[in-house]
Amino acid sequence: EPEVTQTPSHQVTQMGQEVILRCVPISNHLYFYWYRQILGQKVEFLVSFYNNEISEKSEIFDDQFSVERPDGSNFTLKIRSTKLEDSAMYFCASMVDVTYNEQFFGPGTRLTVL
Amino acid sequence: SQQGEEDPQALSIQEGENATMNCSYKTSINNLQWYRQNSGRGLVHLILIRSNEREKHSGRLRVTLDTSKKSSSLLITASRAADTASYFCATDLYNNNDMRFGAGTRLTVKP
Repeated sequence: EPEVTQTPSHQVTQMGQEVILRCVPISNHLYFYWYRQILGQKVEFLVSFYNNEISEKSEIFDDQFSVERPDGSNFTLKIRSTKLEDSAMYFCASMVDVTYNEQFFGPGTRLTVL
Repeated sequence: SQQGEEDPQALSIQEGENATMNCSYKTSINNLQWYRQNSGRGLVHLILIRSNEREKHSGRLRVTLDTSKKSSSLLITASRAADTASYFCATDLYNNNDMRFGAGTRLTVKP
């Protein structure tokens, strides 16, 4: 069964460093999402992406964040200058189309900012 | 704005019992989905119910949706120890398919 994959599973970085989290959505999906979950808290929406542009973003997704679909398979989340409070699990999700509307989640990347 | 508030926050039951978790939300939705998350792991989609549906079943799962009360419930029948996890409801707003998650219910099923 096709699934969303994410790499790395765990990323440790120093405060102020740039990180890129990678996701490979399910191949025929058209809508892509990033969510994050701070330890012990709820899953929070960050950004949605369709047709090579951002559809919507939350207030969390500030100028430090960017997303890109550099080729036909990868979907990346970049954090330019990480802060301690960026430590969280980051989940990528993809969806085939809005008609069906089920989002499939990847296993997540645990980001630890020291 | 916050969507999808689950209750109870934590639920502990014996194996074989049924577990009921509730979710309330604030604005009109397209769909409501329930997800499961084992500790420190990813989200697993359980079931989606559309705003024009009232009840849906999948195996031991039964989901109801009451759009007039803006609430949903997830029933897990004949629970097993392996059902121990956090369960989240997530809603997507009408005309917007970005999902908003609740804080989750932590279910513990004791063998």
